[in-house]
Amino acid sequence: DTQMTQSPSSLSPSVGDRVTITCRASQSIGSYLNWFQQKPGKAPNLLIYAASTLRSGVPSRFSGAGSGTDFTLTISSLQPEDFATYYCQQSDRTPYTFGQGTKLEIK
Amino acid sequence: QVQLQESGPGLVKPSETLSLTCNVSGGSIRNYYWSWIRQSPGKGLEWIGYIYYIGTTNYNPSLKSRLTISVDTSKNQFSLKLNSVTAADTAVYYCVRQGIITGTRFEMDYWGQGTLVTVSS
Repeated sequence: DTQMTQSPSSLSPSVGDRVTITCRASQSIGSYLNWFQQKPGKAPNLLIYAASTLRSGVPSRFSGAGSGTDFTLTISSLQPEDFATYYCQQSDRTPYTFGQGTKLEIK
Repeated sequence: QVQLQESGPGLVKPSETLSLTCNVSGGSIRNYYWSWIRQSPGKGLEWIGYIYYIGTTNYNPSLKSRLTISVDTSKNQFSLKLNSVTAADTAVYYCVRQGIITGTRFEMDYWGQGTLVTVSS
C-alpha cells in the first residue's frame, strides 16, 4: 500500500496567517493527490484534486502543489471557517489511502 | 445536486454481518464509480472498496475476504456487506461518488453524511 504522511499533525495559526500543510507519499503517485477538508460531525469535502486543481466553488485562497512524492496545501490568508482537519488522499493506485490528518485549531 | 444517504443498522453483534445501503438522489448511478469509506479514531480514513455501475468491483485487500459491494441501478442504490465483524469494524461509514475524472482516475466528489456502526454484543 502507498503510505501517506502529513505534517504537521496539528497547527494553531491565527486568522489571516498563511498556512502550509505537507503530504508525502511512500512512492511516486504522479499528480494523483487530493485534499479534503473535514469539520466536526461532517463528511470530508473535496477541495483540490490532481494535486493543484481547485474544485469549483472552493475559495481561491486554497492552493495545492507538488508531484511525485511531495505535495503541499496552502491557505493564503486563513479565515475563521477554515479551522478544520485537512486530509490528503492518493488515487494513483488501489487501495486508495489517506494521510492521518492535520488539525487547524484556533489559537 | 447529487445527494447520498446511508442506511442500515447502527448496532451489529460481533461475528455477524454489517449491511449498509446508499441511496443516490439528484443524479443517476450510471456511468460512475461508487465507494465506501470508513472512519474510526484508531485508523483514520480507510477506503473499503468501489463498484462501477455495471458491477465491476475493487476491494481493499485488508477487507476483501469479508466484503461484498453490490449495485442496483433500478433503485439507484448500492450496498455494502461486511461479514464476521469485530469491534475493530466500529466506525462511521460513508458512501461516496467518484465523479471527477482526472486522466484515468475518478476522484471523490460527493459524500453521504455518514452513519455510525458500532460492533458490540
